[in-house]
Amino acid sequence: DTGVSQDPRHKITKRGQNVTFRCDPISEHNRLYWYRQTLGQGPEFLTYFQNEAQLEKSRLLSDRFSAERPKGSFSTLEIQRTEQGDSAMYLCASSYAGGGLGNEQFFGPGTRLTVL
Amino acid sequence: AQTVTQSQPEMSVQEAETVTLSCTYDTSESDYYLFWYKQPPSRQMILVIRQEAYKQQNATENRFSVNFQKAAKSFSLKISDSQLGDAAMYFCAYRSYSGGSNYKLTFGKGTLLTVNP
Repeated sequence: DTGVSQDPRHKITKRGQNVTFRCDPISEHNRLYWYRQTLGQGPEFLTYFQNEAQLEKSRLLSDRFSAERPKGSFSTLEIQRTEQGDSAMYLCASSYAGGGLGNEQFFGPGTRLTVL
Repeated sequence: AQTVTQSQPEMSVQEAETVTLSCTYDTSESDYYLFWYKQPPSRQMILVIRQEAYKQQNATENRFSVNFQKAAKSFSLKISDSQLGDAAMYFCAYRSYSGGSNYKLTFGKGTLLTVNP
């Protein structure tokens, strides 16, 4: 296993369009997280799954955002009716419940979204 | 809610020298984890070092060590014998010790470290 992968790496879209990002976690990891990182800021938590259940959503996740993790494997993050303020790096991370001190989160390379 | 503050937006160090990055945090919890993550340019974030709040001993990983001051809520990272490959954005992060919905990481704004040859 080569780690957490995300697709696409870059996405340019026009305001008002819908976009969908995919995250493939490390295969044995049952927890999956989405974060958003804007320029000059640290990553901010968006949402978290344990297996297929979405257990927490940040207030940052407006109604235009939806995330899924069917069958507890890969996850998708969809943004509807994109706005220029959605431009950011979207990071995915995964961890194994019960594994290691602090249940270390392994991060993917991110998807950079630019909304024109 | 917990907050993490990194007061140094940028730092620079000469190759082979030592540099210390600062981090303070605010929490009402007694048990938690603290982390330093490294994010090289255009590359994914990797864990550098972690500290459990219940441990008094400071964590060390090769050239990386921390100075954890629980009462002062301070968690600094020391990089010894700096190498060109250490150049990156460094993020300090906090995570609650308890489970449930508290597995999320809370990050500071980061410190951009430049290593000069």
